[in-house]
Amino acid sequence: ETGVTQTPRHLVMGMTNKKSLKCEQHLGHNAMYWYKQSAKKPLELMFVYSLEERVENNSVPSRFSPECPNSSHLFLHLHTLQPEDSALYLCASSQEGGSQPQHFGDGTRLSIL
Amino acid sequence: AQSVTQLDSHVSVSEGTPVLLRCNYSSSYSPSLFWYVQHPNKGLQLLLKYTSAATLVKGINGFEAEFKKSETSFHLTKPSAHMSDAAEYFCVVSERMDSSYKLIFGSGTRLLVRP
Repeated sequence: ETGVTQTPRHLVMGMTNKKSLKCEQHLGHNAMYWYKQSAKKPLELMFVYSLEERVENNSVPSRFSPECPNSSHLFLHLHTLQPEDSALYLCASSQEGGSQPQHFGDGTRLSIL
Repeated sequence: AQSVTQLDSHVSVSEGTPVLLRCNYSSSYSPSLFWYVQHPNKGLQLLLKYTSAATLVKGINGFEAEFKKSETSFHLTKPSAHMSDAAEYFCVVSERMDSSYKLIFGSGTRLLVRP
């Protein structure tokens, strides 16, 4: 049991659709993260929320919109995505601090038609 | 900026033989280093972490890693591979950013275990 739950596990959508990815953590952590994992590329950090405030946006296109309503929940809202956005999207959480490991969910496999 | 380099994209071993996955890092100060494992269709699971205490770190499932500052290395080892060890392994360094920290991931090493 991972402690970080992501839904849905799989999502297929057209380029004009709007959908949202959900992440929930039950570990009492105060920081949450969205990552993109594409084939043959290192894991890419997309967004970081610390104490429910966004502290980093790694120049992610505006078609990705994060939301962190509280320390246990994180969303990634998607609209007008491109085929190159097909990837595994991973959510993670941690306690703040450089030595604190992140705990990952199992991801949402996103396919854009 | 900090970085990690995983020297092998693929490693193949026979079941019961030792495993060595190599990682070099660059850091301007004493880093926090991690190894994660990812099985197919799963998220990343923490194997072990180094945070400037003992240089030999023991992790889960019989894995361990040794921090060598003089070589800027943090190689992952296991004495005897098991079929269930077949997965992708990531070496990771923690980097400070503004008021928070972020993880810098290596490109991964895929471990194949032959029967």
